Amino acid sequence: AQTIHQWPVAEIKAVGSPLSLGCTIKGKSSPNLYWYWQATGGTLQQLFYSITVGQVESVVQLNLSASRPKDDQFILSTEKLLLSHSGFYLCAWSVGGVNERLFFGHGTKLSVL
Amino acid sequence: GEQVEQLPSSLIVQEGASVLINCSYTDSASVYFPWYKQEPGKRLQFIIDIRSNMERKQNQRLTLLFDKKTKHLSLHITATQPGDSAIYFCSAGGSGTYQRFGTGTKLQVVP
Repeated sequence: AQTIHQWPVAEIKAVGSPLSLGCTIKGKSSPNLYWYWQATGGTLQQLFYSITVGQVESVVQLNLSASRPKDDQFILSTEKLLLSHSGFYLCAWSVGGVNERLFFGHGTKLSVL
Repeated sequence: GEQVEQLPSSLIVQEGASVLINCSYTDSASVYFPWYKQEPGKRLQFIIDIRSNMERKQNQRLTLLFDKKTKHLSLHITATQPGDSAIYFCSAGGSGTYQRFGTGTKLQVVP
């Protein structure tokens, strides 16, 4: 069975500090991976997607970056947090071609103070 | 860019009632429409989908209707239960890997 694990569960960070969020998928080879951001009570905004190791495409510019160092790992980071980065970060995976259902992790709640 | 709107934004119904959630999109290139459910404290979960070559899809108490001409979808939930309480999102996917989510509908089912 496939499992998706996100870490950490929650973070409280200061404005201007660095951030690294992680996501690991087990039990699925070569998944498509995604990062989504959700403002409190809001809709989901796709940030990045990756179809293979070392290849990441940006969807929106929010002073964030993503990397895929291994087939089963997706990292979201920034060197300098902004207040607007607060929210809920969701990692997701899919398989096959484009336009397939997404499977989400539990998410990371980020509070920037 | 693509816009995906949902109505209503929230609704409260009595257990056993039926509900209808509407979703409209703007991009004619959208061909895939998954719906997800977000319960408090639980991960976002896929519930049903439909592709642009279909008009109707049913999964137990869920029925999804699609009108390509009007760019409109409707999710019908029958015999609602308190466990159906959640935020429901429609989504639209086109030729790329980008799925745009709707504005969300918060459903509360009271006993």
